[in-house]
Amino acid sequence: DTEVTQTPKHLVMGMTNKKSLKCEQHMGHRAMYWYKQKAKKPPELMFVYSYEKLSINESVPSRFSPECPNSSLLNLHLHALQPEDSALYLCASSQPSPLAGYNEQFFGPGTRLTVL
Amino acid sequence: GENVEQHPSTLSVQEGDSAVIKCTYSDSASNYFPWYKQELGKGPQLIIDIRSNVGEKKDQRIAVTLNKTAKHFSLHITETQPEDSAVYFCAAPGGSQGNLIFGKGTKLSVKP
Repeated sequence: DTEVTQTPKHLVMGMTNKKSLKCEQHMGHRAMYWYKQKAKKPPELMFVYSYEKLSINESVPSRFSPECPNSSLLNLHLHALQPEDSALYLCASSQPSPLAGYNEQFFGPGTRLTVL
Repeated sequence: GENVEQHPSTLSVQEGDSAVIKCTYSDSASNYFPWYKQELGKGPQLIIDIRSNVGEKKDQRIAVTLNKTAKHFSLHITETQPEDSAVYFCAAPGGSQGNLIFGKGTKLSVKP
């Protein structure tokens, strides 16, 4: 099973709302990622968790707050977002990269976020 | 940091023809190169990958070639079918934490 699930599929929120995106995988992966993808653009990295610890934050604004409660779950808490934050938010997972190379990274279907 | 260039940005072929998408990378230490297919409204799907210790890898109608000296790798799709229509992204390692740097994508259209 190479499935990464994400909920909700679609989310519309106002600039004063607080919402959360959820991601789950049961492949035993210990690295999980949040990417942001704008229309007709490639995915761009936001955060990396390795062994449930935040290892990369790509200078993402504090209105995005990631959380990794356990090795299977990854959340992205949203607060006071701007309309320009509207995008497809993708979760991915892999085994943590060994020094000798990378491991396959699997993506979920994404959450389509619209900020009004 | 790594930089990945991808060409062409759009590609239109007739069903049954072959399609080739090319990518170049900048970091000679990069050693893993995946290709993803993204259909409309879906997340990227890993379709094939190659590591730097091999020059070519095939999986049915899909193949990837790697030229480490020139720092470029290519995706080859033979006998294209309408269901191959999608956006294809190449990628390379973005650092030591497993994250990927993506090319800008190629929109492939296969006409019946």
